[in-house]
Amino acid sequence: GEDVEQSLFLSVREGDSSVINCTYTDSSSTYLYWYKQEPGAGLQLLTYIFSNMDMKQDQRLTVLLNKKDKHLSLRIADTQTGDSAIYFCAESIPGAGNMLTFGGGTRLMVKP
Amino acid sequence: DGGITQSPKYLFRKEGQNVTLSCEQNLNHDAMYWYRQDPGQGLRLIYYSQIVNDFQKGDIAEGYSVSREKKESFPLTVTSAQKNPTAFYLCASSIHQSGGAVNEQFFGPGTRLTVL
Repeated sequence: GEDVEQSLFLSVREGDSSVINCTYTDSSSTYLYWYKQEPGAGLQLLTYIFSNMDMKQDQRLTVLLNKKDKHLSLRIADTQTGDSAIYFCAESIPGAGNMLTFGGGTRLMVKP
Repeated sequence: DGGITQSPKYLFRKEGQNVTLSCEQNLNHDAMYWYRQDPGQGLRLIYYSQIVNDFQKGDIAEGYSVSREKKESFPLTVTSAQKNPTAFYLCASSIHQSGGAVNEQFFGPGTRLTVL
């Protein structure tokens, strides 16, 4: 079945690195995604990774994928107060109509 | 500017009334989606549409209805049959929806519905 899980909350100090973790259960996922949601707003796609890749880097963002353990992480380097938001991981599965299945979201709080 | 809009931003409804949430996109996307967001539960898919005049139920379609008469528009009606309608509703659109292609969805700003 489809299930994507994340921890609810993460607090870091400004300038530190943040690591947000996600686990999923369906090994047939083709793409895994990270979205950001600021208060009272819609979701914004930050990055995505194809399932045959181990890592993807984009400026301050690094995505790591461990397909064996079905574990996805998002590392934000030099975290800023503007990074405070809810972060959602999601997977798409061709056999499920390529729909996105979202995790419950991790609320990141950045303290000055 | 291309984008996806939702209106209104806040909506209040009396119990027993139907209400329609608007979603419009000018991105020329074929696929459109409605999600419901509750605290700590992530997003749950209500309905989706891959093409005009066609739509499919998602995971929590009961108490909701949609139409897709135009490519640009995908309104959602929350009916009185929906037992717990107070939530944040998000509309999204994407180019590709089928096969193994990346499904990059673009989201609107959301509508917060409160039932009084």
